[in-house]
Amino acid sequence: NAGVTQTPKFRILKIGQSMTLQCAQDMNHNYMYWYRQDPGMGLKLIYYSVGAGITDKGEVPNGYNVSRSTTEDFPLRLELAAPSQTSVYFCASSISRQPQHFGDGTRLSIL
Amino acid sequence: AQTVTQSQPEMSVQEAETVTLSCTYDTSESDYYLFWYKQPPSRQMILVIRQEAYKQQNATENRFSVNFQKAAKSFSLKISDSQLGDAAMYFCALIMQEAQKLVFGQGTRLTINP
Repeated sequence: NAGVTQTPKFRILKIGQSMTLQCAQDMNHNYMYWYRQDPGMGLKLIYYSVGAGITDKGEVPNGYNVSRSTTEDFPLRLELAAPSQTSVYFCASSISRQPQHFGDGTRLSIL
Repeated sequence: AQTVTQSQPEMSVQEAETVTLSCTYDTSESDYYLFWYKQPPSRQMILVIRQEAYKQQNATENRFSVNFQKAAKSFSLKISDSQLGDAAMYFCALIMQEAQKLVFGQGTRLTINP
């Protein structure tokens, strides 16, 4: 049972490049989330999904897109990378009224 | 809007002693859950303890316990017999009924002095 798996663990991008952060969970959780954590700060919600085919914006969605074609996968897309998107990105999943399970994070640097 | 505030950016404690981390929150919902998460240098987010708002009894988990004051909207974490492995960032979080979204505090960095 792998839980929540994020790939890659580290990535360096140039300004203007695009990439997709992958997130997969094998717990059949309906809720999935993407957060970003800036240095010394708490986590801020980027996007979330309450089930396959359903996504919605969180607190800081600008510059990102998501899709949820299956229960298991919830990729996060950066279309035009900007230095302000340098951060650690966490994916999480849960079922109703239960704590969220987090992946190990992806450290992304935009140079 | 729901908010979570941790007023102590850093705390330190001697090994084997007790430390309390503070958290206050604001929500208009009557039914909610509160959590404390630990984030060690490895960056993992580890659930420490949870509290259901409808329960008056404070949650405990081995050396970890909370002081939940619903009327005051306060949710502090007490760590007894502190160990070196307890050193980490600690985040207080409130779960919203809408889509079960978490709202996090800013975090408290806990240092354990040997």
